[in-house]
Amino acid sequence: KQEVTQIPAALSVPEGENLVLNCSFTDSAIYNLQWFRQDPGKGLTSLLLIQSSQREQTSGRLNASLDKSSGRSTLYIAASQPGDSATYLCAGAYVGNTPLVFGKGTRLSVIA
Amino acid sequence: DVKVTQSSRYLVKRTGEKVFLECVQDMDHENMFWYRQDPGLGLRLIYFSYDVKMKEKGDIPEGYSVSREKKERFSLILESASTNQTSMYLCASSLGWQIVDNSPLHFGNGTRLTVT
Repeated sequence: KQEVTQIPAALSVPEGENLVLNCSFTDSAIYNLQWFRQDPGKGLTSLLLIQSSQREQTSGRLNASLDKSSGRSTLYIAASQPGDSATYLCAGAYVGNTPLVFGKGTRLSVIA
Repeated sequence: DVKVTQSSRYLVKRTGEKVFLECVQDMDHENMFWYRQDPGLGLRLIYFSYDVKMKEKGDIPEGYSVSREKKERFSLILESASTNQTSMYLCASSLGWQIVDNSPLHFGNGTRLTVT
């Protein structure tokens, strides 16, 4: 069974720090991986989608990487701000017409 | 921008009631999904649909049913609400299957359902 794991479950950093959020997946047959942000009581917002043929995707201060051989993806946030405080989830798409497999998320707090 | 709209942000229902949660997307997406989200359990897929009148069970379909009579609308039905169905319900849609066109998944804002 395919699984996606995010460790740690929660992270607290001071404002301005560069940080990395981790996502591990068990099946190297991953087709693409998507990172989401969720604010408290809200739905998920898509941040970045990395195809298996890519190694990185960038959007503003966010950079996501994908390494199929090691079963890891990372989300790098540069110069963190209090407004970045949210839960970040990753989800993998696998071969076959099946829904995404989600991690449980990392809750990020950026302290001013 | 894709918009996925869930008709209610908050709902309070009584045990045994029949509950309808509605979701509408405005971008002609093929696939639609219903999830529930609970602390410590993450997102769990209830049902999904890849075409009008088509539905597939997800990981936790028991106690739920769905309806997709039109492409833009996907309804989740709790036949007889129970307290263990108190949860945040999230609807999502995508243009196609992620492996076909690398189509991102777009979510609505969620419905917080409380069953008393």
